[in-house]
Amino acid sequence: AQSVTQPDIHITVSEGASLELRCNYSYGATPYLFWYVQSPGQGLQLLLKYFSGDTLVQGIKGFEAEFKRSQSSFNLRKPSVHWSDAAEYFCADLRHKSDQSQGAQKLVFGQGTRLTINP
Amino acid sequence: DADVTQTPRNRITKTGKRIMLECSQTKGHDRMYWYRQDPGLGLQLIYYSFDVKDINKGEISDGYSVSRQAQAKFSLSLESAIPNQTALYFCATSDHRLAGGQETQYFGPGTRLLVL
Repeated sequence: AQSVTQPDIHITVSEGASLELRCNYSYGATPYLFWYVQSPGQGLQLLLKYFSGDTLVQGIKGFEAEFKRSQSSFNLRKPSVHWSDAAEYFCADLRHKSDQSQGAQKLVFGQGTRLTINP
Repeated sequence: DADVTQTPRNRITKTGKRIMLECSQTKGHDRMYWYRQDPGLGLQLIYYSFDVKDINKGEISDGYSVSRQAQAKFSLSLESAIPNQTALYFCATSDHRLAGGQETQYFGPGTRLLVL
């Protein structure tokens, strides 16, 4: 089945350390990929997205992600985390059907990775 | 970003009660969505609407119904609430007309629902 997998349910890093959150997708066509962040008690905020072109995508809050087709991955990175980055992070893939005029598009989410920051 | 609002933000109800969750957006996006979030499961799509006259079931539509009253409003109803519908519910919007196939969904703040 087509899916998005975030292998790490929970990650803890120290403030100032680098971060990499993993995301793998399984879909035959070119994926449209997103990373969202959900801070405690908040909705989902878009961090960045990849549709085509440069495989290294810059987002808000100092985050970046790299699309690697050979590894079916779209990992999220940040060189130095801040305590305010503690949140849950979701990777998502927009499934699209180009042969339909409306496009039966569906945003499929991974299970999420909860990030804890140690002071 | 789309300005997406959801009401109420929190709701406690009893088993068997009918409740409605409301979603409004002010950016003129044509597509709207309802998701539920359960711990460890990410977000699952309940219903989606491509325009006022086009409503589609998502992957977990049983026990829910929706109404697209206007382009800007999309309501989710639980006709007879049950405890396993306790979850965080999100509304989202996207604009198909501008982006074609490369759509970005923008989310509301969520409604936390507890069914006793």
